[in-house]
Amino acid sequence: KQEVTQIPAALSVPEGENLVLNCSFTDSAIYNLQWFRQDPGKGLTSLLLIQSSQREQTSGRLNASLDKSSGRSTLYIAASQPGDSATYLCAVIDGSGSDSGYALNFGKGTSLLVTP
Amino acid sequence: DAGVIQSPRHEVTEMGQEVTLRCKPISGHDYLFWYRQTMMRGLELLIYFNNNVPIDDSGMPEDRFSAKMPNASFSTLKIQPSEPRDSAVYFCASHKHRGLLETQYFGPGTRLLVL
Repeated sequence: KQEVTQIPAALSVPEGENLVLNCSFTDSAIYNLQWFRQDPGKGLTSLLLIQSSQREQTSGRLNASLDKSSGRSTLYIAASQPGDSATYLCAVIDGSGSDSGYALNFGKGTSLLVTP
Repeated sequence: DAGVIQSPRHEVTEMGQEVTLRCKPISGHDYLFWYRQTMMRGLELLIYFNNNVPIDDSGMPEDRFSAKMPNASFSTLKIQPSEPRDSAVYFCASHKHRGLLETQYFGPGTRLLVL
């Protein structure tokens, strides 16, 4: 059974720092990997999606990498801002995708606080 | 589009009562998912539908939980009878299968507290 782990569980950094959030998964046979952002009391917003054949994706100050063979992904946030404060969730879709209905398998998240 | 709509946003009920959560997916989406989020277990898949048909309900914790999707624009998740351990945030999500680049769109969630 796929297990997704995120380290650290919580992180506090001063504004302007570059930071890395880590995600690991036990079964490398994934369809894709996604990073989501969750603000308190809100739903999830997709940040980046990496297909199993890709190595990384970038959007603005965010860069996500994927190393399937080692079962790892990182989310890099450049020049962090207080508005980046949120919980960041890593999720994988297993196997071929269709056999699991494209259902997401989530880590428990990293709670990020960026202080002014 | 208004996105995925869930109601109610908050629900407080007493143990033993029936609870019904509602979801309206994004128009044209062919997959609908129900997830539950707790501090201890994080986000877990409960059940998903494809074209209104339940495909995998192995995540449904007990027979007290049931879900339906009578048409493409509406789904319900029912808990009867409710118990305090059902307290959680329940999310509905939908997506449209269109090849490799796919993401799910999540509703704002229903925060359930069972006393």
